Amino acid sequence: GAGVSQSPSNKVTEKGKDVELRCDPISGHTALYWYRQSLGQGLEFLIYFQGNSAPDKSGLPSDRFSAERTGGSVSTLTIQRTQQEDSAVYLCASSSPTGLNTEAFFGQGTRLTVV
Amino acid sequence: AQKVTQAQTEISVVEKEDVTLDCVYETRDTTYYLFWYKQPPSGELVFLIRRNSFDEQNEISGRYSWNFQKSTSSFNFTITASQVVDSAVYFCALSATGGGNKLTFGTGTQLKVEL
Repeated sequence: GAGVSQSPSNKVTEKGKDVELRCDPISGHTALYWYRQSLGQGLEFLIYFQGNSAPDKSGLPSDRFSAERTGGSVSTLTIQRTQQEDSAVYLCASSSPTGLNTEAFFGQGTRLTVV
Repeated sequence: AQKVTQAQTEISVVEKEDVTLDCVYETRDTTYYLFWYKQPPSGELVFLIRRNSFDEQNEISGRYSWNFQKSTSSFNFTITASQVVDSAVYFCALSATGGGNKLTFGTGTQLKVEL
């Protein structure tokens, strides 16, 4: 597609359930990021994938959070045993391999509400 | 460690006024990149500009201009003759070679442009 695609756009789940959020990056982009934006807050880094390198998981807030990237393309962020504080917009971004620190392009996000 | 500070939480201006959004950054790296992103009410982050640490030349793009000063570790963003469509949250971000391509964001400045 032309841009970064995230699904679902909205997700309401019950506390304690697991959720999976999907990100389709721009074709050819080797770098993929997940960020979280809570209401009225800035962007919190979660995890970063770059090519075949080991992902940078330093931003994951707890072991209930995990992410994978299959075939160097699509990524799934999984939150197990969701809590109310997990409610936020989860943003995915990708960037091209043409140079270090190229700009990242963001999807429209998945709004997660844990009730 | 990398840090970005946007001290202005919210700014309100009247249309046609000029407005400057402040950004101060911290990094120990000598090679780094600075970014500005716009987040309109729709939620999607839109890339505006990227500058590298070796290029302090100011840049102008239409009504937008950026002032990069390494001496004060600042990368300020000015909108000239603001318009209602400029209303959005603006994020400053930093990435450095020491941190790979990971973007560290400031907390954002909410700009409201009123008629």
